Amino acid sequence: AQSVTQLDSQVPVFEEAPVELRCNYSSSVSVYLFWYVQYPNQGLQLLLKYLSGSTLVKGINGFEAEFNKSQTSFHLRKPSVHISDTAEYFCAVSDRNGTASKLTFGTGTRLQVTL
Amino acid sequence: NAGVTQTPKFQVLKTGQSMTLQCAQDMNHEYMSWYRQDPGMGLRLIHYSVGAGITDQGEVPNGYNVSRSTTEDFPLRLLSAAPSQTSVYFCASSTRGTVNGYTFGSGTRLTVV
Repeated sequence: AQSVTQLDSQVPVFEEAPVELRCNYSSSVSVYLFWYVQYPNQGLQLLLKYLSGSTLVKGINGFEAEFNKSQTSFHLRKPSVHISDTAEYFCAVSDRNGTASKLTFGTGTRLQVTL
Repeated sequence: NAGVTQTPKFQVLKTGQSMTLQCAQDMNHEYMSWYRQDPGMGLRLIHYSVGAGITDQGEVPNGYNVSRSTTEDFPLRLLSAAPSQTSVYFCASSTRGTVNGYTFGSGTRLTVV
């Protein structure tokens, strides 16, 4: 079984400032890692994923995340945020075994970007 | 492409009533899942399917039934609604499970009174 911890429920930030959303996971098996974004009153959208290879992965809208196996972390970063980045962000994991069909989500981090 | 379509968008039920939340996808995806989203709890998996005729339970399956008779449709049935089932429900689909990412519907907001 896996679990995901997003330590920050809310992150306020000014426009054009950098941001980091933290994600730690726990698993007894190797995992795939994901970040999803949910804009108000919408479904979730895949932001980026780590499957293998380079530990730094780039996603849509200028976001990137770094997989750190020793710290079991997958933090999401953006060097300069925009008002339109205001949304809820979910970190998720799935195991590499079997059909890799199930996602386990964290509780989410609400990013609030202001002028 | 319409993607993943969920109906209805909103529903109010009385305790004890039954209903079916509909989910349809037009992308020929094999994998489909149902999640519920509750404040402060993220999304939790209810049931999932890896192909027509195959379903399995997720983290919170009690009080819900599913079937997968076609690739396109994956309805979620509430047998006897309870206030604890008040939530936002999301259906999602994928070609190869999590590795390709899931496409989510826009959700059904259900209130049980």
